[in-house]
Amino acid sequence: DAGITQSPRHKVTETGTPVTLRCHQTENHRYMYWYRQDPGHGLRLIHYSYGVKDTDKGEVSDGYSVSRSKTEDFLLTLESATSSQTSVYFCAIRDDRGPQPQHFGDGTRLSIL
Amino acid sequence: GENVEQHPSTLSVQEGDSAVIKCTYSDSASNYFPWYKQELGKRPQLIIDIRSNVGEKKDQRIAVTLNKTAKHFSLHITETQPEDSAVYFCAATVYNQGGKLIFGQGTELSVKP
Repeated sequence: DAGITQSPRHKVTETGTPVTLRCHQTENHRYMYWYRQDPGHGLRLIHYSYGVKDTDKGEVSDGYSVSRSKTEDFLLTLESATSSQTSVYFCAIRDDRGPQPQHFGDGTRLSIL
Repeated sequence: GENVEQHPSTLSVQEGDSAVIKCTYSDSASNYFPWYKQELGKRPQLIIDIRSNVGEKKDQRIAVTLNKTAKHFSLHITETQPEDSAVYFCAATVYNQGGKLIFGQGTELSVKP
């Protein structure tokens, strides 16, 4: 299994509170991604990173921000959580040598009440 | 942007039968097409992938075919087993432009003993 750790694995919080999810990798891969998974929508890209301090938006980036200060860590922040952000969040990493697959972490189940 | 449509949304087969899942994509620049299997409560795991310069790829009971002209690709599982029961996702990406995956909506495959 790819060396990806997501934390926390589960979180319940209230509307309006800030939330930060962490993705940690031990593979030294350049690319890291955050997806959300909702019933009927599959997985949708939120933000991704192509290097330290290099990030870009995905399909559903509104309400989310990211940061990558070290190769191994990619943080996803919900500045003011809303109930529509209740979801399962997956981090993925990818080697940048050619067409390589993304490997996913175990996910974070986030509930916003 | 890219859009990926996946059919059917649910598929039920008898053990030993074949299963076929089809996906279409909209962006002719897409050049890498992975397939993921996701068991309940688990992370998506890569089962097979194909590059745009290849028409077909096989790995034991699993095969993927790609028709670039028609912009569709399919997953074929032969001699299905109960442990093949899961949700399957297709995806498309331009791997040398960030590798952002656009996923289909998923197919829930049920293999009945």
